[in-house]
Amino acid sequence: EVQLLESGGGLVQPGGSLRLSCAASGFTFSTNAMNWVRQAPGKGLEWVSTISSTGANTHYADSVKGRFTISRDSSKNTLFLQMNSLRAEDTAVYYCTRMSSAGWFLDYWGQGTLVTVSS
Amino acid sequence: QSVLTQPPSVSAAPGQKVTISCSGSTSNIGNNYVSWYQQLPGTAPKVLIYENNKRPSGIPDRFSGSKSGTSATLGITGLQTGDEADFYCGTWDKSLGAWVFGGGTKLTVL
Repeated sequence: EVQLLESGGGLVQPGGSLRLSCAASGFTFSTNAMNWVRQAPGKGLEWVSTISSTGANTHYADSVKGRFTISRDSSKNTLFLQMNSLRAEDTAVYYCTRMSSAGWFLDYWGQGTLVTVSS
Repeated sequence: QSVLTQPPSVSAAPGQKVTISCSGSTSNIGNNYVSWYQQLPGTAPKVLIYENNKRPSGIPDRFSGSKSGTSATLGITGLQTGDEADFYCGTWDKSLGAWVFGGGTKLTVL
């Protein structure tokens, strides 16, 4: 059974940093691209970043480019999101998602971790 | 403002049918597969439809998807109260180099 378990969320002050982790299990982690998608309170889904299966290619939403870094450690089956220079508008639940190896869609989602940016 | 446009809400009675539209452009829906996601209250989203009209195992055939040009549609028949949720369309936008979602549609089963 595929499982994605996020951790690392919490309360951080504006300008601060946070590192999210997503522990993957139940599949061969190195064969799938992975993504972070966030959802601000009461709002819709917003794609944040994608990393290819090998980690060689990354993509970012304009809203986080230059501040967030996605990475992966296939030896630990873990996806990361390093978030720097955090702003109030980054407050959201952050979901770790798997890109299906069969096509361009997000076939598994974690339960999410809440990041709150506030003084 | 979302790149993909969905109606904010739709509603229908139990047993009836409803459709949810998703409008985009040639850089996204027009040249890529569309997927649909259901988010039940208080839970993470899950995929309902992928590659425009395919259902993952476990998704009942009451849910269907279609695509024409730069628009896609999710259909739900035999509505149940348990179907009340937020629905999102999504696809890759070639021009933006980004995954894009619709703004979401809240389904109410009256």
